[in-house]
Amino acid sequence: EAQVTQNPRYLITVTGKKLTVTCSQNMNHEYMSWYRQDPGLGLRQIYYSMNVEVTDKGDVPEGYKVSRKEKRNFPLILESPSPNQTSLYFCASSDEGAQPQHFGDGTRLSIL
Amino acid sequence: GENVEQHPSTLSVQEGDSAVIKCTYSDSASNYFPWYKQELGKRPQLIIDIRSNVGEKKDQRIAVTLNKTAKHFSLHITETQPEDSAVYFCAASITGGFKTIFGAGTRLFVKA
Repeated sequence: EAQVTQNPRYLITVTGKKLTVTCSQNMNHEYMSWYRQDPGLGLRQIYYSMNVEVTDKGDVPEGYKVSRKEKRNFPLILESPSPNQTSLYFCASSDEGAQPQHFGDGTRLSIL
Repeated sequence: GENVEQHPSTLSVQEGDSAVIKCTYSDSASNYFPWYKQELGKRPQLIIDIRSNVGEKKDQRIAVTLNKTAKHFSLHITETQPEDSAVYFCAASITGGFKTIFGAGTRLFVKA
């Protein structure tokens, strides 16, 4: 079954404590991306990756890092989380550009 | 910068009626327009898309129309059912490109 798997699904943490949200896809897709969803703002692209070791910034990259060491994995790293990063995060993959075809189930982050 | 405006933000219809959601995009280079449905607490799911070389596309009860000159595209749902209740997002991007811009979403309520 085609899947994008994110972990954790929920996380409450404190300002400044580094965290990583993992994302893995089993469809051998080249393109992966991260979005954050906030009320009234839709989904905003944080980072995207065109292939292994190839990543670039989306619309709201500040405070985030990513890496793509393997084709299937695309973790999102918050080095020093702040309360304005409290949001619902989605990872997505695609075999045709960064237009998301398959989303993960989402990760709800609360930064206190 | 590029943006996508989506209207209305909330739409309430009676079961069996039609629903129309409209989007306007700013980047004239956009040529791929997907629509996503997000049920409460779930991931967004791609439900239909249209490319700039066609003006209309149908899939059972849903259809999308595109007016490239006016930079408008719309989602039409006929014979609405309670299970159509969800948030719908439009988006615009360039085929094979790396950035997808989402609208802010429309919350559709279908009253039984």
